Amino acid sequence: GAGVSQSPRYKVAKRGQDVALRCDPISGHVSLFWYQQALGQGPEFLTYFQNEAQLDKSGLPSDRFFAERPEGSVSTLKIQRTQQEDSAVYLCASSLDETGTYNEQFFGPGTRLTVL
Amino acid sequence: GDSVTQMEGPVTLSEEAFLTINCTYTATGYPSLFWYVQYPGEGLQLLLKATKADDKGSNKGFEATYRKETTSFHLEKGSVQVSDSAVYFCALRRQGAQKLVFGQGTRLTINP
Repeated sequence: GAGVSQSPRYKVAKRGQDVALRCDPISGHVSLFWYQQALGQGPEFLTYFQNEAQLDKSGLPSDRFFAERPEGSVSTLKIQRTQQEDSAVYLCASSLDETGTYNEQFFGPGTRLTVL
Repeated sequence: GDSVTQMEGPVTLSEEAFLTINCTYTATGYPSLFWYVQYPGEGLQLLLKATKADDKGSNKGFEATYRKETTSFHLEKGSVQVSDSAVYFCALRRQGAQKLVFGQGTRLTINP
């Protein structure tokens, strides 16, 4: 596709429910990132993939958060037993990861998660 | 750890006014510095970047200079337009790292 797409765009969950957020990166992009953006704040890094390998998950706030990219393309961020503090916009970004050049991260529109 | 601090918003200006949004950072080594913009209803977009000290990034009339001595990367524009109304984020990427570290964002509103 032309850009990074995310689905759903909006998700409302009851506390304790599990949710799955999907990211379709730009075709051919090697690197994929997830960020969490709380209301009125800047995005905060969650995790990073290079192809199917999850190279950095240092930003995941708890073991309720899990991300995967099994075929090196589409990625899913799963949040188990959602809590109110998980309410945020979840941003996905991808980059080409070409050696020797600056690799711009292209962001998707985000999924706004509201936990009631 | 690495961090980015932006001036508090919101900022409201009249069309054709001069804009400065301050950004300072804390990081080891020589990070790359960025300004991202989020227009209403749209995703984050890269506005400009600088990868080493004294570099000046520029785009769409906006400029920012990487100042190592003051650890700053202030965003400036000489004459703003209504279409510049958006949220602006300063960010850094540590040398050798992949992730971006963002400031809290500054909401800019330009009145005609």
